[in-house]
Amino acid sequence: EMQLLQSGGGLAQPGGSLRLSCEVSNVTSRTYAMMSWIRQAPGKGLEWVSDISSYGENTYYADSVKGRFTISRDNSKNTLYLQMNRLRVEDTAIFYCARLAYRGNYYVAYWGQGALVTVSS
Amino acid sequence: SYVLTQPPSVSVAPGQTARITCGGNNIGTKSVHWYQQKPGQAPVLVICDDNDRPSGIPERFSGSNSGNTATLTISRVEAGDEADYYCQVWDSGNDHVVFGGGTKLTVL
Repeated sequence: EMQLLQSGGGLAQPGGSLRLSCEVSNVTSRTYAMMSWIRQAPGKGLEWVSDISSYGENTYYADSVKGRFTISRDNSKNTLYLQMNRLRVEDTAIFYCARLAYRGNYYVAYWGQGALVTVSS
Repeated sequence: SYVLTQPPSVSVAPGQTARITCGGNNIGTKSVHWYQQKPGQAPVLVICDDNDRPSGIPERFSGSNSGNTATLTISRVEAGDEADYYCQVWDSGNDHVVFGGGTKLTVL
């Protein structure tokens, strides 16, 4: 079965940077899927952060991260990235990578295991 | 951006039926997906496209969607169903997933 294995995350100071990676293994489809980053602050619900289209030609960001975070992908490595700069305390959350599928409209077919990002001085 | 509204909590006794609602403007015209999330785990898809169960999800889970409300129904609730449940649609105008605020299901 397809799996998403995340790496990165950890502790950063306010204003600092971190990079998250998400490697997709056992890819069975010949087409590349739209992928997303979704986060969950402690004790809170799921919040969409960013999307990237199949070949990286289109990217989308939540207003709360626009200008600070950059999503990218390397299809030759089946890997998704999230570069997070100018981090804020309110960015503290578990970040999930997600591989989308289409059934009626897009939904999350596969989730990464999550990576904890803590922003604190 | 499209807004989905869920009740914060629902409580039900074992063996009874739990219904979790998800409100949105004309949500009946959209496909709604539901996820179950247990503590410390990533979410798991339990209902796709209003009322389609992925492989491995018990028949006790079903969904409906009409008008301004989508509903996740869990029949014959078990202790293992205790979790947070999230509804989700696609905001086609802004090209991203939208989640409801989540509902904590408590099995009494």
